Amino acid sequence: QQQVKQSPQSLIVQKGGISIINCAYENTAFDYFPWYQQFPGKGPALLIAIRPDVSEKKEGRFTISFNKSAKQFSLHIMDSQPGDSATYFCAAGHQGSRLTFGEGTQLTVNP
Amino acid sequence: DAGVIQSPRHEVTEMGQEVTLRCKPISGHNSLFWYRQTMMRGLELLIYFNNNVPIDDSGMPEDRFSAKMPNASFSTLKIQPSEPRDSAVYFCASKLAGGGNTEAFFGQGTRLTVV
Repeated sequence: QQQVKQSPQSLIVQKGGISIINCAYENTAFDYFPWYQQFPGKGPALLIAIRPDVSEKKEGRFTISFNKSAKQFSLHIMDSQPGDSATYFCAAGHQGSRLTFGEGTQLTVNP
Repeated sequence: DAGVIQSPRHEVTEMGQEVTLRCKPISGHNSLFWYRQTMMRGLELLIYFNNNVPIDDSGMPEDRFSAKMPNASFSTLKIQPSEPRDSAVYFCASKLAGGGNTEAFFGQGTRLTVV
């Protein structure tokens, strides 16, 4: 019940395109859903996060869409840039407690 | 703030040797997490502490792994004896537990190679 499933494992998009990464969870007690971005040789860093009381959150080119009934959430990167090339992790957890991470998606944005 | 500080950044050791990884969390944070990252298994939580007390160590793979947090500003992860399959990047993360802030800040990681 603690699992978070993420897809796709890898994604290649052209500059200016839309990148979409999907995650699904099982534990209905989760109340915090962050996305982390990781560049090679660095630790993951928080990109954007959402709580289940809203269905969408947008920060610049990054948007999280959240479907509580389906227990799914996704990250959309609009106007993808080569600098967005990184590994993206979704996660889920309780406030003040541990996070369970998805398997990660390696995104490559071609110039 | 310098962020979460981990040392060493890289460690190469021979099978059977003891390895100690170190972490200094962000000042004021009261939760600390140790993660292991591999290509095969992604990011795995090994153990986490709240207020220096281990809360969940169910992710620690074997008795060869142990973690301590003697005070709020320091934690260690020890592997004894080390094995080649322990080769991975080990991350430490810290956050302020509870309230509205649940962002976990990660260190740069320690890349461990056991030969």
